[in-house]
Amino acid sequence: DAGVIQSPRHEVTEMGQEVTLRCKPISGHDYLFWYRQTMMRGLELLIYFNNNVPIDDSGMPEDRFSAKMPNASFSTLKIQPSEPRDSAVYFCASRAASNHTQYFGPGTRLTVL
Amino acid sequence: AQTVTQSQPEMSVQEAETVTLSCTYDTSESDYYLFWYKQPPSRQMILVIRQEAYKQQNATENRFSVNFQKAAKSFSLKISDSQLGDAAMYFCAYRSPTYGNKLVFGAGTILRVKS
Repeated sequence: DAGVIQSPRHEVTEMGQEVTLRCKPISGHDYLFWYRQTMMRGLELLIYFNNNVPIDDSGMPEDRFSAKMPNASFSTLKIQPSEPRDSAVYFCASRAASNHTQYFGPGTRLTVL
Repeated sequence: AQTVTQSQPEMSVQEAETVTLSCTYDTSESDYYLFWYKQPPSRQMILVIRQEAYKQQNATENRFSVNFQKAAKSFSLKISDSQLGDAAMYFCAYRSPTYGNKLVFGAGTILRVKS
C-alpha cells in the first residue's frame, strides 16, 4: 500500500508569495494531521481533520496559514503571504480510527527567501 | 498539559553494541500511548515502536525494545546489536486519548553509530 504522499518535496519561494503544500493520506484513514518541524520549536501540530472536518486548529500560527480537506484523499496547507520565518519542514500524517499510530509522509522542505 | 523530555541531545554507540535512549513525560492521565519515531537524514518519520500505558508488558520489535516505567513516567528505548542504518534522530512522543489526537514530541536524540 502507498504511504502518505506529499508534494512538493522541496519548495523555494520569495517572501510575500503564496505557497500551497499538498497531502494525500493513506486510503481508509479517518484522521489527517499537519505538523511543522523547525530547529527552534521541534515538531508542532498545526491542525488536524477527522473525516474531512477540521477539529483542532489551535496550532496554526496566524491567519496567514489555512488548511482544507475537500475530500478524504486530499488536503492542502496554504501560506499567504509567506515569510522567511515560515521556513521549515512540513509533515502530513494520517491514521485510521481503529489504530493509535500516525503514519507520516516524507515532508515538504519549505524555504522562504 | 503533557510534556515529553529527552535529556540526551546526542548519543554514540559502537556497531553491534547496545544503546539506551531516555524519555520521560509528565501527565496526570492514567491511560495514554507512547511512541518512538526514527528520523533518518531522509527526513522521513518512521514508527519504531509503540506502547499502550494499560499494558504492563514492555513492547518489543526485533532489535528494539522499551523499558516502560509507568510510576516513574519513563519510557526508554533500547537498541540491541546496533547497525549503521540505525543512525538517525529519535523522537519520543505521547498521545492522550482524552485530548484529541495530538502527538506531543520530545526534542529528539541524535544517535550516531560508529563502525
